Amino acid sequence: SQQGEEDPQALSIQEGENATMNCSYKTSINNLQWYRQNSGRGLVHLILIRSNEREKHSGRLRVTLDTSKKSSSLLITASRAADTASYFCATIHTGANSKLTFGKGITLSVRP
Amino acid sequence: KAGVTQTPRYLIKTRGQQVTLSCSPISGHRSVSWYQQTPGQGLQFLFEYFSETQRNKGNFPGRFSGRQFSNSRSEMNVSTLELGDSALYLCASSLSGGEGYQETQYFGPGTRLLVL
Repeated sequence: SQQGEEDPQALSIQEGENATMNCSYKTSINNLQWYRQNSGRGLVHLILIRSNEREKHSGRLRVTLDTSKKSSSLLITASRAADTASYFCATIHTGANSKLTFGKGITLSVRP
Repeated sequence: KAGVTQTPRYLIKTRGQQVTLSCSPISGHRSVSWYQQTPGQGLQFLFEYFSETQRNKGNFPGRFSGRQFSNSRSEMNVSTLELGDSALYLCASSLSGGEGYQETQYFGPGTRLLVL
């Protein structure tokens, strides 16, 4: 399976702390994207990083990509209770057109 | 711009019935993809439509089908429903997709289907 894997599966932190989530994948990619999902609702796109990029920032989010290790990390700084959600990494594999391959997700709980 | 809309939001069916779900993409978007989300299998790709043609297909049985209309709106149909088809069905739209794809996909709120 090309499905990516995130770790940890669950993360609980205190408000104000940083949260780091990791994702690994198996085959070459065009890009990697991170999504957030609140309570089984639709997915909200957070950030897209292309295969030729190494780091990208968006507000309190920082994403890194290491194609040699086939891994990515998402850092959320100064977390808030509203960041409580499930986070998914998804990859567009080379030759897969627009098909997103998702990992199983990470459940983040931010305690107020 | 209005986001991706999906109807209905909730649906209860019984085994053996069929169901049709609808998705309206963001205005100007021509690619529509469908995903199934279950607790056991996670998010899985069903198929993608572009310019009324199925361009990409996941590993689902033939009971799952879809189509796209000239205005880019899409429908997916599941025939002969099984208990295991209970899931959140999500559709996503993007401008055009395709090889070298670097576009963001925007997801709708999903249709939650319960099969009894």
